[in-house]
Parts: sequence; C-alpha cells; structure tokens
Amino acid sequence: AQTVTQSQPEMSVQEAETVTLSCTYDTSENNYYLFWYKQPPSRQMILVIRQEAYKQQNATENRFSVNFQKAAKSFSLKISDSQLGDTAMYFCASITGTASKLTFGTGTRLQVTL
Amino acid sequence: GAGVSQSPSNKVTEKGKDVELRCDPISGHTALYWYRQSLGQGLEFLIYFQGNSAPDKSGLPSDRFSAERTGGSVSTLTIQRTQQEDSAVYLCASSFQGRSGTEAFFGQGTRLTVV
Repeated sequence: AQTVTQSQPEMSVQEAETVTLSCTYDTSENNYYLFWYKQPPSRQMILVIRQEAYKQQNATENRFSVNFQKAAKSFSLKISDSQLGDTAMYFCASITGTASKLTFGTGTRLQVTL
Repeated sequence: GAGVSQSPSNKVTEKGKDVELRCDPISGHTALYWYRQSLGQGLEFLIYFQGNSAPDKSGLPSDRFSAERTGGSVSTLTIQRTQQEDSAVYLCASSFQGRSGTEAFFGQGTRLTVV
C-alpha cells in the first residue's frame, strides 16, 4: 500500500523568501510518480509539479522545484520568491504503476505574509 | 466542457435525507475519482472508476455511500440517510486512462452540509 506523509500542518513565509515543504512516501513499487497539488481558498485543486521516479533530475516549474531523494523516499517542494498568491494548502501525492490511484498526504497550509 | 464540472456547488440537506452529487469529467478521461475533504483537512479517497473495470470502492465509509458511472462519463455519488458527519466537500477528479503519471484534474467540489 502507498502512504504519503506531510509532517508540517502549517507553515509561514514572508513574501519574496524561500520556503520548503516536506513530504515522505512509502511504496514497494519501482514505477511511480509524485505530485504536488495546490488548493487555494477557492477550493480548486491545481497541479504544481510532477516527478517521475525513474528520472534522477529534479523537476522544476518556474519558482517551484522539488528535491527528490529516492533512497530516502523524500519529495520536498521548494517555493522561491514566495508571492501572496502562493497562500494555499499544498498536498503531496503519489501514484504507482499498478495501483493507478492517487494517494494524498494530509496537506500543509502555507501562509505568505507581507 | 473545458474542465471537470460538479453540481451542485453547495447542498444543504436535512439529516436522514438522501443526496446525489454529480460529476462531469473531462471528455475522453476514462479514470474518475471521488474524494471527501473535511474542513481544512486532507483528502479522503472514496471510490475510483477506470474504464470498464470494476470500481475500487475501498474508500467508501459505509453502505450508505454508493457511486455509479454511466456510459463511462458522468458519475453520481449517492449518500443515503445523511448524517451530520457526512458534512464535507466532495471532490471529483478525472484523468486520461488513469495512466500513472497522468495529471488528475479536479472539479471545484460540492460542499455538503447536513443539518
């Protein structure tokens, strides 16, 4: 079974600063994918970034990047130059080749302050 | 449509009544998920449909909950004899063929309040 753990229920960062959200996962599969989703107050879930487990290179999307440590089963999200619009719940998720079912962590609430 | 559509956006119902929540996935998406999200909490998996395969119902919390997907498209989540603990946001998501690594697109959810 897949499990995804986010150990930081809430975090705060000042505008323009950098923040890192933690995520660990557990799977016995070799073929799997990891995601970070953002859920702003509007409730709409939006994909932020995706990482394929077979790729060693860390994924990046503009100000968002991941630190994927496969051996440690760690998948943290780094947000650079934080903006007020980054305020949201962030969910880490995984899906494996056989399960084909997204499993989510419990989320981290990020507040970006002036 | 352009995205996953859920209706109604909000639903207030009396305890003991039945409710139906609807999800219109993105056209061509064969995988469909239902999740439940309590206020400020994470996502609780309910049910997963993939093409013509038998659905994965392992997340349904009780036999009061059921879901169907007609014609491989629209899905309805039914909650019978609603209880106050059923109050939550119900999120639907769809993805293309449910292939690993394929992004799941979410609707905006239905906020259910049982009074």
